[in-house]
Amino acid sequence: GAGVSQSPSNKVTEKGKDVELRCDPISGHTALYWYRQSLGQGLEFLIYFQGNSAPDKSGLPSDRFSAERTGGSVSTLTIQRTQQEDSAVYLCASSFYGLAGGPSTGELFFGEGSRLTVL
Amino acid sequence: AQSVSQHNHHVILSEAASLELGCNYSYGGTVNLFWYVQYPGQHLQLLLKYFSGDPLVKGIKGFEAEFIKSKFSFNLRKPSVQWSDTAEYFCAVNAVNQGGKLIFGQGTELSVKP
Repeated sequence: GAGVSQSPSNKVTEKGKDVELRCDPISGHTALYWYRQSLGQGLEFLIYFQGNSAPDKSGLPSDRFSAERTGGSVSTLTIQRTQQEDSAVYLCASSFYGLAGGPSTGELFFGEGSRLTVL
Repeated sequence: AQSVSQHNHHVILSEAASLELGCNYSYGGTVNLFWYVQYPGQHLQLLLKYFSGDPLVKGIKGFEAEFIKSKFSFNLRKPSVQWSDTAEYFCAVNAVNQGGKLIFGQGTELSVKP
């Protein structure tokens, strides 16, 4: 597609349920990032992928959070046993080669986000 | 661990006023620096970036930022703001020897009064 696509755009769930958020990056982009945006908290880094590998998972808040990427394309962020504090907008971004590629490829293109509300 | 601090949470200006948004980072090594902007109802987009070379970087829509290594700062400036600059602005840093991880600040909301 022309841009980064995220689904669902809105998700309301009950506490304790599992949720899956999907990200379709721009075709050909090898790097993919997940962030969480909460009111007043800015963008919290969760994880990034280079191809199918995740060199840095340090931002995942707990073991309830996991992410995978298959075929160097689509990524899924899974939150198990959701809690109310998980409510936020989850943003995905992709980059042609990530920041290691230098200034010509070091731009992240963001999707619209998935707004998660845990009741 | 690297971190980014944006001093102002909300800035209110009148049109034609000058703008400076502060950004400081904590990392002693080589960094790449960015400013992203999120206009109301839109997704985040790149405003400007610094990788190396001239520490004064010019971006889109008349914005510029200056990298001052000794102060660990990358402040964003614009000589004369417009109502259309109303948005949230995020500073971000990548520590070069820590791979492709990009850390964002808390954001500064800019409101420009017509």
